[in-house]
Amino acid sequence: AQKVTQAQTEISVVEKEDVTLDCVYETRDTTYYLFWYKQPPSGELVFLIRRNSFDEQNEISGRYSWNFQKSTSSFNFTITASQVVDSAVYFCALSENRDDKIIFGKGTRLHILP
Amino acid sequence: DAGVIQSPRHEVTEMGQEVTLRCKPISGHDYLFWYRQTMMRGLELLIYFNNNVPIDDSGMPEDRFSAKMPNASFSTLKIQPSEPRDSAVYFCASSLVHDSNQPQHFGDGTRLSIL
Repeated sequence: AQKVTQAQTEISVVEKEDVTLDCVYETRDTTYYLFWYKQPPSGELVFLIRRNSFDEQNEISGRYSWNFQKSTSSFNFTITASQVVDSAVYFCALSENRDDKIIFGKGTRLHILP
Repeated sequence: DAGVIQSPRHEVTEMGQEVTLRCKPISGHDYLFWYRQTMMRGLELLIYFNNNVPIDDSGMPEDRFSAKMPNASFSTLKIQPSEPRDSAVYFCASSLVHDSNQPQHFGDGTRLSIL
């Protein structure tokens, strides 16, 4: 069973629009960690955020915000006032406490159109 | 601080040849991971090491793939013989100590093309 689902394969929005990237995860552990990574066109993977399962407080970092809801097993990522430089593939990932591995979703390719 | 360093950045070779990808993790990181990224399968974990010891190699596709970590500052992923379906971007990542709360820091990847 897929443990991290990013149902949106590709999204295109016009610059300055807000956009939300969805992430649904599956785990039996009570302690786990969720991550978002960004992969810009240059190809490198850039760490954005880490959240543990005991902290459901939403987080905001500049134009980025994350909504963690255990009740729906979701960890969604919103970009406010999007910019062309936000164009990238965004990966949601899960790490279970029993394991040292990080399981990545398939990614969402985000196009910000000028 | 230097990040994870991978070499080469690009590799093009003919099928049947041996390919060796190299990785230098961030100094002090105890964990090293090898991933493969393709359009079809996304990011797949191939193998990871803890303190130079392979912990889980269940993601290694087949016997043609092997990975070693002779010391804390160097790891190799070898494909022998290579096949066109091995074409992908291979990433190395490292993380600090035994805590899955720690993010993995990725190298820039090696883009491998097998002709």
